[in-house]
Amino acid sequence: AAGVIQSPRHLIKEKRETATLKCYPIPRHDTVYWYQQGPGQDPQFLISFYEKMQSDKGSIPDRFSAQQFSDYHSELNMSSLELGDSALYFCASSLAGGLSSYNEQFFGPGTRLTVL
Amino acid sequence: GEDVEQSLFLSVREGDSSVINCTYTDSSSTYLYWYKQEPGAGLQLLTYIFSNMDMKQDQRLTVLLNKKDKHLSLRIADTQTGDSAIYFCAEILLYSGAGSYQLTFGKGTKLSVIP
Repeated sequence: AAGVIQSPRHLIKEKRETATLKCYPIPRHDTVYWYQQGPGQDPQFLISFYEKMQSDKGSIPDRFSAQQFSDYHSELNMSSLELGDSALYFCASSLAGGLSSYNEQFFGPGTRLTVL
Repeated sequence: GEDVEQSLFLSVREGDSSVINCTYTDSSSTYLYWYKQEPGAGLQLLTYIFSNMDMKQDQRLTVLLNKKDKHLSLRIADTQTGDSAIYFCAEILLYSGAGSYQLTFGKGTKLSVIP
């Protein structure tokens, strides 16, 4: 079965550079989520999109932006990178159904970003 | 993760049962989840429980939910070396009504299985 695809899997950048992470959800999934997991930390919710519109916003820095495109893939754009941005960035997708129905978030393998 | 609490480490012998505990925050959480993360890998949903249930069993996994105490536990029977991983409990918070919801994770419990 198709899973969530993230690219690149690994990325090395220098401070103050920009980075773009891509996420391709499971086919027919309409909702995409981004999470950031620092070393030894739990995943922290950044932002989510439903039907190409931003639906929830978490602890995403102003230096980051994201969008969901017409084919439902999503990109996380990160500018003015800082050392503290080094983390594993997960994308997850789901099929929206509301709290009355169970809808699992399927996680991608993550992109490991290292900022030097 | 600061509002969902888990013990950080657990060590068990192969063949024993493992019990991983979690205390969550929001009594209105509808679903509670257990995720497994192996080294360098993504998050795999192991099981979930709906808030109107007290227990859910799925093969070697048993989830117990105490809503009064906001306590969730995951029991792994006959623990194997392949179960060594970090286990995160997660709850839904801030459902926006716009089709998505965000998961809030605990800090994770690192399970080490001794052969």
